Amino acid sequence: EAQVTQNPRYLITVTGKKLTVTCSQNMNHEYMSWYRQDPGLGLRQIYYSMNVEVTDKGDVPEGYKVSRKEKRNFPLILESPSPNQTSLYFCASSLRAASSYEQYFGPGTRLTVT
Amino acid sequence: AQKITQTQPGMFVQEKEAVTLDCTYDTSDPSYGLFWYKQPSSGEMIFLIYQGSYDQQNATEGRYSLNFQKARKSANLVISASQLGDSAMYFCAMSSLGDMRFGAGTRLTVKP
Repeated sequence: EAQVTQNPRYLITVTGKKLTVTCSQNMNHEYMSWYRQDPGLGLRQIYYSMNVEVTDKGDVPEGYKVSRKEKRNFPLILESPSPNQTSLYFCASSLRAASSYEQYFGPGTRLTVT
Repeated sequence: AQKITQTQPGMFVQEKEAVTLDCTYDTSDPSYGLFWYKQPSSGEMIFLIYQGSYDQQNATEGRYSLNFQKARKSANLVISASQLGDSAMYFCAMSSLGDMRFGAGTRLTVKP
């Protein structure tokens, strides 16, 4: 089954404790992206990747890191999480980076930082 | 900078009637894509419909149609014959190369 998977689905952590949210897709998509969703703000893009070893900042990259060493994986790293990073996080992928391709979304990761 | 605006935080519609969800956008890029996604209470993001900036005809997908008015920079979603299962959050989004922007969303409630 074609899908985007994220782990963990739920995470409660403390300020400053490094964490990684994994994202994997099995559709051989070139493009992958991370978003955070906050009430009243919709989804905001954190980072995206046009292909392996190519990443770029989105709208809200501060406090996050990403890497794209393999085509299928695009982990999101929070080196020192803070309470303002409490949010619902979505990973997404699409066949290409061009503007005409729909994105397939993972199920979301709900992160709470205390 | 690119920007997407959805001015209706919430909308109500009677079952079996049509409803229009508004979306306006701002970009200086000549090539871009416009998307609508649905997010039910279960949380997943579901792709509904796409319109390219160079497309001459309005996109349609079953009961969904996109009213694209390029000069006005609007991309409204029209849902015909609303069903109870259409109750959800709806997001308008714009993509240009890798950049993707979403509106704040509209919560649609379908009344029986």
